[in-house]
Order: sequence, then C-alpha cells, then structure tokens
Amino acid sequence: AQSVTQLGSHVSVSEGALVLLRCNYSSSVPPYLFWYVQYPNQGLQLLLKYTTGATLVKGINGFEAEFKKSETSFHLTKPSAHMSDAAEYFCAVSKETSGSRLTFGEGTQLTVNP
Amino acid sequence: KAGVTQTPRYLIKTRGQQVTLSCSPISGHRSVSWYQQTPGQGLQFLFEYFSETQRNKGNFPGRFSGRQFSNSRSEMNVSTLELGDSALYLCASSLQTSNYNEQFFGPGTRLTVL
Repeated sequence: AQSVTQLGSHVSVSEGALVLLRCNYSSSVPPYLFWYVQYPNQGLQLLLKYTTGATLVKGINGFEAEFKKSETSFHLTKPSAHMSDAAEYFCAVSKETSGSRLTFGEGTQLTVNP
Repeated sequence: KAGVTQTPRYLIKTRGQQVTLSCSPISGHRSVSWYQQTPGQGLQFLFEYFSETQRNKGNFPGRFSGRQFSNSRSEMNVSTLELGDSALYLCASSLQTSNYNEQFFGPGTRLTVL
C-alpha cells in the first residue's frame, strides 16, 4: 500500500520568505509524485509532478520540488513567498500511468503574513 | 478549452435520501475519476471510469456508485445518505495516452446532509 505524510498541517511564513512544505511517501514501487494547490471553494490545481527523469522538478508560480528516493521525500519549496500563495497544499502519489487513483496527504495550510 | 464542470455546485439533502452528481470532463478526455474530500478523512479516491467502464475503485461502501456515458460525462450516485456523506465531491478528467496522464480537477460539488 502506498501512503503520503505531510509534516505540519499549518505553516506560516512572512511575505518574501522561503516556503518549505514537507512530504514523505511510502510506496513499494517507484511512484509518480505530485503537489496540488487548493484555493477556498475551488478544486485542485496541479503545481508540479515527478514521473521520470530529472529529480528536481519545476512547477508553476515559482514552486519546485526535489524527488529524493533515498529519503522517500518530495518537499515543495519556493524561494520567496507571495501573499497570493496562501492556500492549502496537497502532496499526492500514484503508481499508475493512468494518473488516477491518487493517494493524498493530509494537506498543509500555508499562511503568508505581510 | 473549457475546464471540468460539475453540477450542481451546492446541494442540501436529508438523511436517507439519494443524490446524483454530474461531471463533464474536458473535451477529448476519456477518463473521469471521483474523489471525496472531508475535514476528517481528507481526500479519498472513490472510483475511475474509462470508456464507460469502471477501471478502479476505492474503499467505499456500495451506496456509492457511478457511471460514464458514451460522451465521457460521468455521474455518481449516493443512496441512503448518511450525515458522514457531507463532503466536497471532486471530479477529475484526464486524456489517457500511453504516457502519464495529468488529472484536471473540477471545482467540486459541496453536499450537505442534514
């Protein structure tokens, strides 16, 4: 069985500060890994994904994540937080090329303080 | 290109009733997946339909069912509603090629069971 753990249900940063959201996965096979963002009353938007190839993945809105197999981690970072980054972030894993059957972490609510 | 649309956006039902939610995928997308999002359980995979057939199923009781039509539109049905079925139900569609297929999420239907 696969699972995802997000460390910290709430993270608060100042505008302009580094954003670091942590995600560890447990999977018996090399997984596909994702970060999604959810704004209030909206669906999920894909920030970035790791499928194969380069382990440092760049996504939208200045976010990036690094797949570290030895640490079973896929942490999300952004060098400088913006007020518009305030949202809930979900790490997810899938073993299927169909992209379906995503297993999500519990989510991390990011607050950006002025 | 229009995104994934879900109707209705909000729904209020009482215990014991049944409900049908609708999802229209992005044009050309052949796979539709459904997820339930609750504060307690987070995001959980319900099922996936591809070419009118259920391809994957999550761990939900038989009260939860779905179907897909020839135009790829999908419906999910919940019978004998319980208070715990109150949730945001998200639909996602994907193109389905031989490579990894990104899931595109709709805004969700918020179901409240009284």
